[in-house]
Amino acid sequence: KNQVEQSPQSLIILEGKNCTLQCNYTVSPFSNLRWYKQDTGRGPVSLTIMTFSENTKSNGRYTATLDADTKQSSLHITASQLSDSASYICVVTLNTGGFKTIFGAGTRLFVKA
Amino acid sequence: DVKVTQSSRYLVKRTGEKVFLECVQDMDHENMFWYRQDPGLGLRLIYFSYDVKMKEKGDIPEGYSVSREKKERFSLILESASTNQTSMYLCASSLFGGELFFGEGSRLTVL
Repeated sequence: KNQVEQSPQSLIILEGKNCTLQCNYTVSPFSNLRWYKQDTGRGPVSLTIMTFSENTKSNGRYTATLDADTKQSSLHITASQLSDSASYICVVTLNTGGFKTIFGAGTRLFVKA
Repeated sequence: DVKVTQSSRYLVKRTGEKVFLECVQDMDHENMFWYRQDPGLGLRLIYFSYDVKMKEKGDIPEGYSVSREKKERFSLILESASTNQTSMYLCASSLFGGELFFGEGSRLTVL
């Protein structure tokens, strides 16, 4: 069964600290993996995309990694800011020529001052 | 700048009412999607469309219908709203295989 599981469900960190969010997937055949950021009451916005051959991608203070062998991805946030408080959603697209996309349930990150 | 606009941010409807959720995109994308988002479940695909007047069922189409009369507009219809359809509804558009661009969401409460 195609699944995307994220951990932790929620996380509280102090401003300025680093954190890492995890995503494990059992999706096949794999096309690409994206991380989205969703602010409260807003729609998700794409942060990074990685294909099978890419194992790291950065977007400012956000760095995503992908291990296609173990089917794991992580999103590392460096020097967190209050504006990083949001849900982070891992999304895997299947390589089936169609639109099959599997969403994780998200990790809710709270950054405290 | 990319823009997906959903007509209503918040709606409150009564059981049995017909509900229309409108979505417009200005990026000339072929593909448009309707998802619902519930706590702990992630986004679930209701319907999608890859061309004008074309529609495909997603994972949870029961109780919903859609309409795509123009390329830029994709409407979600709840023929007879029920309390279990209380949710956040997100519209998205994309080029084939590309990044999903989401609207701000429509939070529907059915009483």
